[in-house]
Amino acid sequence: GAVVSQHPSRVICKSGTSVKIECRSLDFQATTMFWYRQFPKQSLMLMATSNEGSKATYEQGVEKDKFLINHASLTLSTLTVTSAHPEDSSFYICSAIWGIYGYTFGSGTRLTVV
Amino acid sequence: AQTVTQSQPEMSVQEAETVTLSCTYDTSESDYYLFWYKQPPSRQMILVIRQEAYKQQNATENRFSVNFQKAAKSFSLKISDSQLGDAAMYFCAYEGGGATNKLIFGTGTLLAVQP
Repeated sequence: GAVVSQHPSRVICKSGTSVKIECRSLDFQATTMFWYRQFPKQSLMLMATSNEGSKATYEQGVEKDKFLINHASLTLSTLTVTSAHPEDSSFYICSAIWGIYGYTFGSGTRLTVV
Repeated sequence: AQTVTQSQPEMSVQEAETVTLSCTYDTSESDYYLFWYKQPPSRQMILVIRQEAYKQQNATENRFSVNFQKAAKSFSLKISDSQLGDAAMYFCAYEGGGATNKLIFGTGTLLAVQP
């Protein structure tokens, strides 16, 4: 089956620094990837839709200058949290559309900003 | 805008018993897809079952089945012969039939399985 590999699984960074999260499709080409944010015991909130070779589409209320998304190839999308602050601490999940079966998800990244 | 509502924040079931998780949604579209995802403590999202709105027959996957009531915009998940490994957060999700392919998630139901 289709696998999406997400790295790192956990990251701790200092306030004011930037951190990059990678999402790779291992055995299929992902034209479109999605980035979600999940707070503890809450649902997944879509942050943006990432399309290969074009600008990402951000959901209302998501700061595009803070959450930079790059989808430069059919197998890699990255989310960079710039000038991170403690309120950016969360669980971030990527997903990709796989054929007719729907969506496959990465294993998530727990970001802690100290 | 489409919305997905899960009215049961938490549910509990005895091992080997049956439990039903509720989900309702709101949409003006006629063609769409509905999903149930499981998120165990590892937080890996796992597809449980998928339903196409144009299909009248309810989807089933082994011990998991849905009751899809299109007119009522209801999409409940029934888990039969519950197992300890079924304990997880369950999310109902909606995908519109257009080109956007966005998944809209409900708030989730935390299912506990009692031995």
